[in-house]
Amino acid sequence: AQRVTQPEKLLSVFKGAPVELKCNYSYSGSPELFWYVQYSRQRLQLLLRHISRESIKGFTADLNKGETSFHLKKPFAQEEDSAMYYCALSEGGANNLFFGTGTRLTVIP
Amino acid sequence: NAGVTQTPKFRILKIGQSMTLQCAQDMNHNYMYWYRQDPGMGLKLIYYSVGAGITDKGEVPNGYNVSRSTTEDFPLRLELAAPSQTSVYFCASSYGGSTQYFGPGTRLLVL
Repeated sequence: AQRVTQPEKLLSVFKGAPVELKCNYSYSGSPELFWYVQYSRQRLQLLLRHISRESIKGFTADLNKGETSFHLKKPFAQEEDSAMYYCALSEGGANNLFFGTGTRLTVIP
Repeated sequence: NAGVTQTPKFRILKIGQSMTLQCAQDMNHNYMYWYRQDPGMGLKLIYYSVGAGITDKGEVPNGYNVSRSTTEDFPLRLELAAPSQTSVYFCASSYGGSTQYFGPGTRLLVL
């Protein structure tokens, strides 16, 4: 069963425009949600996790249990934000992650 | 610290051959993981380990084996390689199941 859905494979926005990367999940318990990012020629790395409730590089994400969503947002996109973004869910325990298929964000100068 | 290292970076195998993908971490993490990523798909968990001597299956374990004889190393063994195992393989580690740190990946092509 698909636990994490990222409906957009590709997303392009202009520099300075707001950006929202969508993530929906299916899990009956209390999941832990993450956003991972992979910049060009770099390894996959954690961007943020919902329990931290922090803003990283201007990005925020709020867990909406009613809509089972964990969308990633940034008010003003920068060129250096261009990357592949993955939403991931953990059911706890060893924190095994279930990944979405990813969204490639391109910020147009 | 080198973090999580993986070797080789790229490998071509013939159907039926075997190989071991190496993964090592120098962060003294107790948890280690192996994922595979097929084109256009998300990462899927193959096997994981919560400590030396302890391994468990993930979502897609068939065709693979792992061992964890030390805290640092977590090799992934492919026996009788098949074209369906063509993928990019990522190793990751974490401390106590928290933030996972990923290796650079190994690209495997089975022909």
